[in-house]
Amino acid sequence: DAGITQSPRHKVTETGTPVTLRCHQTENHRYMYWYRQDPGHGLRLIHYSYGVKDTDKGEVSDGYSVSRSKTEDFLLTLESATSSQTSVYFCAISEPSTSATYEQYFGPGTRLTVT
Amino acid sequence: AQRVTQPEKLLSVFKGAPVELKCNYSYSGSPELFWYVQYSRQRLQLLLRHISRESIKGFTADLNKGETSFHLKKPFAQEEDSAMYYCALAVKAAGNKLTFGGGTRVLVKP
Repeated sequence: DAGITQSPRHKVTETGTPVTLRCHQTENHRYMYWYRQDPGHGLRLIHYSYGVKDTDKGEVSDGYSVSRSKTEDFLLTLESATSSQTSVYFCAISEPSTSATYEQYFGPGTRLTVT
Repeated sequence: AQRVTQPEKLLSVFKGAPVELKCNYSYSGSPELFWYVQYSRQRLQLLLRHISRESIKGFTADLNKGETSFHLKKPFAQEEDSAMYYCALAVKAAGNKLTFGGGTRVLVKP
């Protein structure tokens, strides 16, 4: 497995509380991504980063924010968690090349339950 | 915007039977397509990419631009092929973001 870890791996939280998920990589890859996985929807991109302090929105970014202050860490924050954010969250990394599209490597996932 | 559709949510086959997972896409540019697999309790991993034209674990996938499809096939399914399979499309110019299909769960029965 690529050197990608996610913390926590499981979390149960109450509606309205803030939650931060962490993705840490040891591969020095420039691109990092946060996806959520829901039955029937596959994985949907929340936010991504193409370098330190450079981030952009994905298709389901409402209610989420991200930060990347150093290459190895990409944080996903739910400012005020809602039940609709109950999901499995995956982090991924990739490194651009001059030729073909580069592969994404995925972390183990974080299962978040909002009650 | 691009879109990926996997019409089957569940495919159940017997060991040794052929299996085909369908994937259709819509994208106005030149697509780069992938199949990812997630085995039970494991992280998502790349299975195939269309540009490589390779066969991995007996699986092959051919890009058909006329039919906008990228179906995944294996002539003889094995029990260890039971997993969740996702078709994905990448747009290199847009940070290599992946657009995933909804996924197909494959169950190979003994």
